[in-house]
Amino acid sequence: SYELTQPPSVSVSPGQTARITCSGDALPKQYAYWYQQKPGQAPVLVIYKDSERPSGIPERFSGSSSGTTVTLTISGVQAEDEADYYCQSADSSGTYENVVFGGGTKLTVL
Amino acid sequence: EVQLVESGGVVVQPGGSLRLSCAASGFTFDDYTMHWVRQAPGKGLEWVSLISWDGGSTYYADSVKGRFTISRDNSKNSLYLQMNSLRTEDTALYYCAKALYEGVDYWGQGTLVTVSS
Repeated sequence: SYELTQPPSVSVSPGQTARITCSGDALPKQYAYWYQQKPGQAPVLVIYKDSERPSGIPERFSGSSSGTTVTLTISGVQAEDEADYYCQSADSSGTYENVVFGGGTKLTVL
Repeated sequence: EVQLVESGGVVVQPGGSLRLSCAASGFTFDDYTMHWVRQAPGKGLEWVSLISWDGGSTYYADSVKGRFTISRDNSKNSLYLQMNSLRTEDTALYYCAKALYEGVDYWGQGTLVTVSS
C-alpha cells in the first residue's frame, strides 16, 4: 500500500526556520496537503496543492515540492507553532482509491 | 461559517455495529465530496472513507472495506458512516471533513468510538 514518510520529530528555537519533509513515490504526480494539529483540537489545513496557503494562515507557513519530496517550511517559528504536522496525498492512480496521511511530525519549539 | 458536527460515538462491544452522523452547515453541502478520517488515541490521522457530492462514488481504506458504509442525505445536509463488525482496533476519534480538491479544508470536532468488551 502507498505510504508517505515524515520524520517523527523536528526541534527548532523561536525565530528559526523549521522544515518538515514528506516523501512518497507518487508525489511528483499528486498534490500534497499539510495539516497542523494541536493537542485536543481538530486538524487545521495550513497548505494545499503543494504550496497554496488558505486564507487566515500566517505567511510564515509555506510549502514546496521537489521530486518525491514535499516540504513544509515555517519561517520565524513562534511558540504557538508547536504542534503535530501531517502531510496527506493520494496514490498515482488519479482517483481517490488510496488517500493517505503521513505518520506525523511533532514540532517542538525549544 | 462552515460547521461540521459529528454524533453517534459510544462504547460498543467487538462485533457490534454503530452509525455515525455528521450535520453540515454554512456551505452548499451537495456541492462537495465529504470524508471520514479517524485518529486512534495517541496516534496519527488515518483516512477512512469518502463519498462524492451526489453519493455516486464511494471509496474506503483497506482496513474498513467490507465492514463500513459511507452515505449521505443531501436533503438533510448530513453525512453518515455505518460501521459493522467492529474491532478493538476501530477505537478512535472519528472526524467528518469537507473536501478541498484531494484534501480537506474543514474538520468537525470528532465523535469518539470505543470498541471494548
